[in-house]
Amino acid sequence: AQSVTQPDIHITVSEGASLELRCNYSYGATPYLFWYVQSPGQGLQLLLKYFSGDTLVQGIKGFEAEFKRSQSSFNLRKPSVHWSDAAEYFCAVGAGGSEKLVFGKGTKLTVNP
Amino acid sequence: NAGVTQTPKFRILKIGQSMTLQCTQDMNHNYMYWYRQDPGMGLKLIYYSVGAGITDKGEVPNGYNVSRSTTEDFPLRLELAAPSQTSVYFCASSSGGKTRHGYTFGSGTRLTVV
Repeated sequence: AQSVTQPDIHITVSEGASLELRCNYSYGATPYLFWYVQSPGQGLQLLLKYFSGDTLVQGIKGFEAEFKRSQSSFNLRKPSVHWSDAAEYFCAVGAGGSEKLVFGKGTKLTVNP
Repeated sequence: NAGVTQTPKFRILKIGQSMTLQCTQDMNHNYMYWYRQDPGMGLKLIYYSVGAGITDKGEVPNGYNVSRSTTEDFPLRLELAAPSQTSVYFCASSSGGKTRHGYTFGSGTRLTVV
């Protein structure tokens, strides 16, 4: 069965600094990978997804993620963080034969002015 | 386009009471899901459905029931509420099978059992 690990529970960055959130997955074949963002009191919004092709994928709000098969990783990046990016971020993985996504436990991002 | 609509947004229940959390989607998605979210624990799948009349258990189904009589609606029933069911509940839907398309989430129902 597939699984997802987000090693960082909480990350704090200054506004304007770069950001990288880590995600590692466990699955035997090429998985479908997703990043979602959850603002306080809100539902989850899809930032970006990968399922084949170019390993660097672009998403909404200036985010990008890179799929690295050799490292079983799908890290989320943003070159310059804005205060409005403060939220919780979830990585999720889907296997080709499953109807269900498995979510990581999330990384909470705090942005200092 | 409303997407996935959940009602109510907030609810306080007493121990032993029952309630139904409503979920409706207007995107004609076949796949629908119920998750619960607890602090630091991520999202845990309660039940899911791959089409009208078809439901299946997720990882934490105890204490809950679901039905799927139409494509649009996927209500979650709590029988004999317990404090352990205090959580935020999210409904989600998906257009395609095999998870390729990701999910569209509702805005959640915050439930407190006292």
